[in-house]
Amino acid sequence: DAGVTQSPTHLIKTRGQQVTLRCSPKSGHDTVSWYQQALGQGPQFIFQYYEEEERQRGNFPDRFSGHQFPNYSSELNVNALLLGDSALYLCASSIRLAGDYNEQFFGPGTRLTVL
Amino acid sequence: GNSVTQMEGPVTLSEEAFLTINCTYTATGYPSLFWYVQYPGEGLQLLLKATKADDKGSNKGFEATYRKETTSFHLEKGSVQVSDSAVYFCALSPSGAGSYQLTFGKGTKLSVIP
Repeated sequence: DAGVTQSPTHLIKTRGQQVTLRCSPKSGHDTVSWYQQALGQGPQFIFQYYEEEERQRGNFPDRFSGHQFPNYSSELNVNALLLGDSALYLCASSIRLAGDYNEQFFGPGTRLTVL
Repeated sequence: GNSVTQMEGPVTLSEEAFLTINCTYTATGYPSLFWYVQYPGEGLQLLLKATKADDKGSNKGFEATYRKETTSFHLEKGSVQVSDSAVYFCALSPSGAGSYQLTFGKGTKLSVIP
């Protein structure tokens, strides 16, 4: 059973460009969350997708957007890249059950470098 | 808002030493509390969790107790091994239905030397 997978592993972009990161959740999971982890910091919540809609959002600008597909996979898009967007982007999947916390399984991440 | 504060690293210990990594939190209500571990080049793995006050989470020799009175969730292990070298993150999830957002501390890097 494959866990959470992310692509690409590494990515280098220049300021002002746009980037798309991809995530496939663990088999049987229907919810995908994205986190940004700057060097030496803990992950910060960007947003969460369930039933192809954004359900929760952290304190990130509109340059960060996402999408979830019918097969539960997800994309994270970042427009007008800034140097400060350089980070490890983590995807986490879980099963959404009302009124309960369910373990989030994390992928290995995509390392984005903005030059 | 919610926040997690954990002790600054790095922490360097000899094999078989006792480990404590302090973690305190700020949140309303009764959040769920977690410790995640990140090995070099890998994603985060859940190490242990506690969902209500006085619960003790445990896994692989690590333990942490949810202390509501001190808003703490300190991680302990009686005898560390070289394979425990990693970055450890304390995290919380708010109480309430549908609250899946995790708030993390900055992480504590542990190095265990033979």
